[in-house]
Amino acid sequence: QQQVKQSPQSLIVQKGGISIINCAYENTAFDYFPWYQQFPGKGPALLIAIRPDVSEKKEGRFTISFNKSAKQFSLHIMDSQPGDSATYFCAAINAGGTSYGKLTFGQGTILTVHP
Amino acid sequence: SAVISQKPSRDICQRGTSLTIQCQVDSQVTMMFWYRQQPGQSLTLIATANQGSEATYESGFVIDKFPISRPNLTFSTLTVSNMSPEDSSIYLCSVPATSGRNTGELFFGEGSRLTVL
Repeated sequence: QQQVKQSPQSLIVQKGGISIINCAYENTAFDYFPWYQQFPGKGPALLIAIRPDVSEKKEGRFTISFNKSAKQFSLHIMDSQPGDSATYFCAAINAGGTSYGKLTFGQGTILTVHP
Repeated sequence: SAVISQKPSRDICQRGTSLTIQCQVDSQVTMMFWYRQQPGQSLTLIATANQGSEATYESGFVIDKFPISRPNLTFSTLTVSNMSPEDSSIYLCSVPATSGRNTGELFFGEGSRLTVL
């Protein structure tokens, strides 16, 4: 019940294309859903986040879509660029709970954007 | 944003030895978190390091294996004890992006990549 399932494991997109990464969760206590971007040799960096009372959040080329009834959320990267090539992790947390800072991460998606 | 420095950035260790990883933050924070990222895998919270109290460990992680120190509000150490090849991972220090709020928005260090032979 604590898992966050992420797909696909890897994704290859042409420059200018749309990258889509999907995540699903079971624990209905999760109430905050951040996405992290990790470049090789670096720690993960927060990219964008959403609360379940919002169906969509957009920041620049990055959009999160959230379907609360289906317990699914996805990251869309519009106009994908080679510099977006990285590993992307979805995550979830019970922000109202007692497990402070305890993120449950998806398995990660390795995105490669070809020029 | 917080700047988090970890040492060592990488190391190769022999089975049965112990290694201490240091984490320095450029601002005072109440809570610091240690995560593990196994090769090609996701991140898992090991423990929460609170200044002035014992660390809180997650299920599957014990103090004898991963002792943690938190001597002040900007520094913490994680020791990986009696290492085996299964301990080969990236160990990441992190702090909340917003003090006092449990948003799941964390700043991470660049990690310490340990290889145990």
